[in-house]
Amino acid sequence: QLQVQESGPGLVKPSETLSLTCTVSGGSISSSTYYWGWVRQPPGKGLEWIGSIYYSGSTYYNPSLKSRVTISVDTSRNQFSLKLSSVTAADTAVYYCASHNAVTTFDYWGQGTLVTVSS
Amino acid sequence: QLVLTQSPSASASLGASVKLTCTLSSGHSTYAIAWHQQQPEKGPRYLMKINSDGSHNKGDGIPDRFSGSSSGAERYLTISSLQSEDEADYYCQTWGTGIHVVFGGGTKLTVL
Repeated sequence: QLQVQESGPGLVKPSETLSLTCTVSGGSISSSTYYWGWVRQPPGKGLEWIGSIYYSGSTYYNPSLKSRVTISVDTSRNQFSLKLSSVTAADTAVYYCASHNAVTTFDYWGQGTLVTVSS
Repeated sequence: QLVLTQSPSASASLGASVKLTCTLSSGHSTYAIAWHQQQPEKGPRYLMKINSDGSHNKGDGIPDRFSGSSSGAERYLTISSLQSEDEADYYCQTWGTGIHVVFGGGTKLTVL
């Protein structure tokens, strides 16, 4: 069964860049079926889609975050990554990676990683 | 604008059934949606995709107690024989042209 797992620093300073990696196991990131996505959840709030990437490198981003987001893929390591620049306290959230089935449903979710933006 | 609307909260008794509703915005009544469950302190779990005709495809290992249906712009998740572990937040999610992904605000289900 497909599994995804987030990793990265839990604390980022304001104005710096948040960087997270998602490792895919139980399947190939080069699958023709799946995009791979990032979703975040501020404390006590709902889910917000950040963006998704195909193994070829094709990306789709949430328009509200597009200017600050870069998602990349490393097929040799079966990983994809998120970079969010110029972070503020409003970017404090649990960040989830997930398989994004043909850019429709998120079928398999990671357990999430809390990233706090603070000096 | 593509928007999903959910009631903030719902409650039902242990062993009973509950029907949660997700409403698509005007002009988007033919869209499919997905339901996700988020138990306390856990990541979301994909439950099922529901099409506009009411047909649905469940995720891996989702019990038969969970079912989906559709009417007009509304998409439903019905949970029967409620168990304590069903107490969770439930989010609906859809996707639009130009690949714009939208989540509803979530419904907090309390099992009494």
